[in-house]
Amino acid sequence: DAGVIQSPRHEVTEMGQEVTLRCKPISGHDYLFWYRQTMMRGLELLIYFNNNVPIDDSGMPEDRFSAKMPNASFSTLKIQPSEPRDSAVYFCASRVTGGGEKLFFGSGTQLSVL
Amino acid sequence: SQELEQSPQSLIVQEGKNLTINCTSSKTLYGLYWYKQKYGEGLIFLMMLQKGGEEKSHEKITAKLDEKKQQSSLHITASQPSHAGIYLCGAATGGNKLTFGTGTQLKVEL
Repeated sequence: DAGVIQSPRHEVTEMGQEVTLRCKPISGHDYLFWYRQTMMRGLELLIYFNNNVPIDDSGMPEDRFSAKMPNASFSTLKIQPSEPRDSAVYFCASRVTGGGEKLFFGSGTQLSVL
Repeated sequence: SQELEQSPQSLIVQEGKNLTINCTSSKTLYGLYWYKQKYGEGLIFLMMLQKGGEEKSHEKITAKLDEKKQQSSLHITASQPSHAGIYLCGAATGGNKLTFGTGTQLKVEL
């Protein structure tokens, strides 16, 4: 089975531009999580969905960040406008109800905002 | 909010040596998860501990959960270069979320 798929793997953009990160969770998983990893702050939870519905977005840093999950097999994280401090690795993870909190992670998107 | 502190932050060992990584929680642990991350890649699940005193092993890696101490340890026996990477502990904090520790970077020298 395919794991969690994220795209793009690398994104380099200029400050002020819109950035869209994409995630396809594992089929059958009903939870989807977006994390951000930086050297300074480690791995932080941004938002998570259950059955395509956003449940907790308290980790979303600012209104510049938004996330959607239009269906069970696709989610996006959008940053608009992007700033240099948004540079980080963004991970998507999914899990299934009944599996505890065991998460399956994608390979991440390395975002660099110049 | 729950905080997880890992020690040491980084570790360099010679191949064949044993090592231990600790994860200490600021609150009661109801479930503790260990992950490994290689540079430029996502996190790979290693083990899940859910009961106080529980101990699990996979190949040369053993993890234990000490509920009273709000602590978990990860022990690697006879380390190999393939063990190199970043080890992270994650705790279930309620609300279906995992909070992660600060990470321990392990390097194994030949």
